[in-house]
Amino acid sequence: EDKVVQSPLSLVVHEGDTVTLNCSYEVTNFRSLLWYKQEKKAPTFLFMLTSSGIEKKSGRLSSILDKKELFSILNITATQTGDSAVYLCAPRYAYSGAGSYQLTFGKGTKLSVIP
Amino acid sequence: DTAVSQTPKYLVTQMGNDKSIKCEQNLGHDTMYWYKQDSKKFLKIMFSYNNKELIINETVPNRFSPKSPDKAHLNLHINSLELGDSAVYFCASSQEGGSNEKLFFGSGTQLSVL
Repeated sequence: EDKVVQSPLSLVVHEGDTVTLNCSYEVTNFRSLLWYKQEKKAPTFLFMLTSSGIEKKSGRLSSILDKKELFSILNITATQTGDSAVYLCAPRYAYSGAGSYQLTFGKGTKLSVIP
Repeated sequence: DTAVSQTPKYLVTQMGNDKSIKCEQNLGHDTMYWYKQDSKKFLKIMFSYNNKELIINETVPNRFSPKSPDKAHLNLHINSLELGDSAVYFCASSQEGGSNEKLFFGSGTQLSVL
């Protein structure tokens, strides 16, 4: 069963467009949700969200979490070719009574920005 | 200094061989992980380990075993390699608790089994 569903799976836009990437999750003992960007190698961290309704921003990127409806969105405005990457979301949740936490990734959204 | 380093970057080997991938983190984190990323780019957790508990994803074959000589290292041993083991393997670490629990990833090891 997929705990994390991202949509769309792929997206092609022109430079300057605005995109919205979606992430829905279903986990118990939720703690936070993280967004990562993966280009050629290792994923790089974008945002960590713990509270509903509080938008986090970093330049042209922003993200928000809805813990009631169990989803998050990542917005990118005025896209550039350098934004081309796979965007991954991952809820962090308690795995066992020992207090261990896991991060489970969605399959990602592949964004391609064309000039 | 690289926060999470793993070696080798590339590993090409024959079916049936046994191999190891090493991972070290210098962040003082208490939890380390191994992830496998297949050809479809799906990043799937294999193990998470801290000084209290090893959590194994039940879908991981027992040919894969993590070994942690100390808190800063989590190595991955793979026995009797199979073609389907070809993938990129990422090591990661994090610190539980606090407001900054993000994962820091190593640069990955691309394993090719021939």
